[in-house]
Amino acid sequence: NAGVTQTPKFQVLKTGQSMTLQCAQDMNHEYMSWYRQDPGMGLRLIHYSVGAGITDQGEVPNGYNVSRSTTEDFPLRLLSAAPSQTSVYFCASSYERALNTEAFFGQGTRLTVV
Amino acid sequence: AQSVTQLDSHVSVSEGTPVLLRCNYSSSYSPSLFWYVQHPNKGLQLLLKYTSAATLVKGINGFEAEFKKSETSFHLTKPSAHMSDAAEYFCVVSDLGGFKTIFGAGTRLFVKA
Repeated sequence: NAGVTQTPKFQVLKTGQSMTLQCAQDMNHEYMSWYRQDPGMGLRLIHYSVGAGITDQGEVPNGYNVSRSTTEDFPLRLLSAAPSQTSVYFCASSYERALNTEAFFGQGTRLTVV
Repeated sequence: AQSVTQLDSHVSVSEGTPVLLRCNYSSSYSPSLFWYVQHPNKGLQLLLKYTSAATLVKGINGFEAEFKKSETSFHLTKPSAHMSDAAEYFCVVSDLGGFKTIFGAGTRLFVKA
C-alpha cells in the first residue's frame, strides 16, 4: 500500500503565486488533515475533513483553502503565497477521528516562498 | 482548552543509557495522548497512544509512557537508547471530539556513541 502520498516534495514559489499541494490516501480513511511544521512550534493544524464534502478550519487556516470531493484526495491550496507560508507541510489521514486511532502521515512538502 | 508542553527542546544521552522525554498537558477532561517520532526528512510515525485504558502504555521500539493524571504528565521513556533513536519526538493531545490534535513543540533526541 502506498499509504499517504504527498506531491510535490519540494516547491519554491514567488510571493503572490498560487499553488496546490496534493494529498492522496489509499486506505479508505474518512478523516484527513493538513499541518504545517515550523521550528520550535511542532505541527499546527491548518484544515481538516471528516469525510467527502465536509471540511473545517484548524488552528491556522488563513491563506489556505481545502476541498474534499472524494474520500481519497484532500488538496491544499495556497491562494496568494507569502513568505510566512514557508514551511514543511504534512498531510495525514486516519480511519476515524483522532480520538482513538493513529494518524498516518505523508512524507511532507517543503515549501519556500521568496 | 487543551495544550501540550514538552519541557525540553533538546535531550542528549549516551548509547545504552535511559531516555526520558517529558510532556505535560492541560485539559478539562480525560484526554487521548500520543507520542509520535519523526526521523530526519521523514514523516511522523506513531510510537504509542493512551486512550483511558491502562495508564502505562507500551509502544514500538521499546518505548513506553505513563499517564499520570495527578501530575498531568505523559512522559516517554526507554531503558536503553540506541543510535537509531536519534530523532524528534512529539507529544500530542486530541480534543474532546477527536477532530483536532494539538502537537507539542517537539524534543530532539541526540544519542552519543
